[in-house]
Amino acid sequence: GAGVSQTPSNKVTEKGKYVELRCDPISGHTALYWYRQSLGQGPEFLIYFQGTGAADDSGLPNDRFFAVRPEGSVSTLKIQRTERGDSAVYLCASSLNAVSAQYFGPGTRLLVL
Amino acid sequence: KQEVTQIPAALSVPEGENLVLNCSFTDSAIYNLQWFRQDPGKGLTSLLLIQSSQREQTSGRLNASLDKSSGRSTLYIAASQPGDSATYLCAVILQGGSEKLVFGKGTKLTVNP
Repeated sequence: GAGVSQTPSNKVTEKGKYVELRCDPISGHTALYWYRQSLGQGPEFLIYFQGTGAADDSGLPNDRFFAVRPEGSVSTLKIQRTERGDSAVYLCASSLNAVSAQYFGPGTRLLVL
Repeated sequence: KQEVTQIPAALSVPEGENLVLNCSFTDSAIYNLQWFRQDPGKGLTSLLLIQSSQREQTSGRLNASLDKSSGRSTLYIAASQPGDSATYLCAVILQGGSEKLVFGKGTKLTVNP
């Protein structure tokens, strides 16, 4: 598995529930990004990690969204008290370093009922 | 605020035709520009990355050009094939800010056999 992987591939939850989405970046990539894509739109930036720290979290829509990358590799995006408007495809990408090419995973399709 | 626009939103061509997809961006102070392909229900596949100091990049039947001063990029696809059918997205990384990609909405390409 040389590419970026994301689990689960699909997640259906009920309004108000908590969800966690996982991203495994390409080995050796120090930069990791989360994006969100709605139907018919391009991906929108959520948060960017350089190593273990969040270098830019300005894209997180509100405080229900949080992400971690405790060991500088795997990252988890956490959404509390989910709302129907959170339904989207959540994409993770990694790159060797900042400003090099970003490589995307297959995404997690989140549906909040 | 950086805005990325892709024209046309959709394009349908017969197999074998050469075609050009357009991307424009409002802020010319970019690090690089990346072209992606997205198949329905899938993640993004990186096609070409052009650094701000470069004018073009080529990979097989694909050629991407960059005119940073005018805020434009084109993706040229030669001898199109039905397998080229997908949505093509361009994205830029802005200088002096976070290393996040700012995306256009994409051009949906259909190549008819």
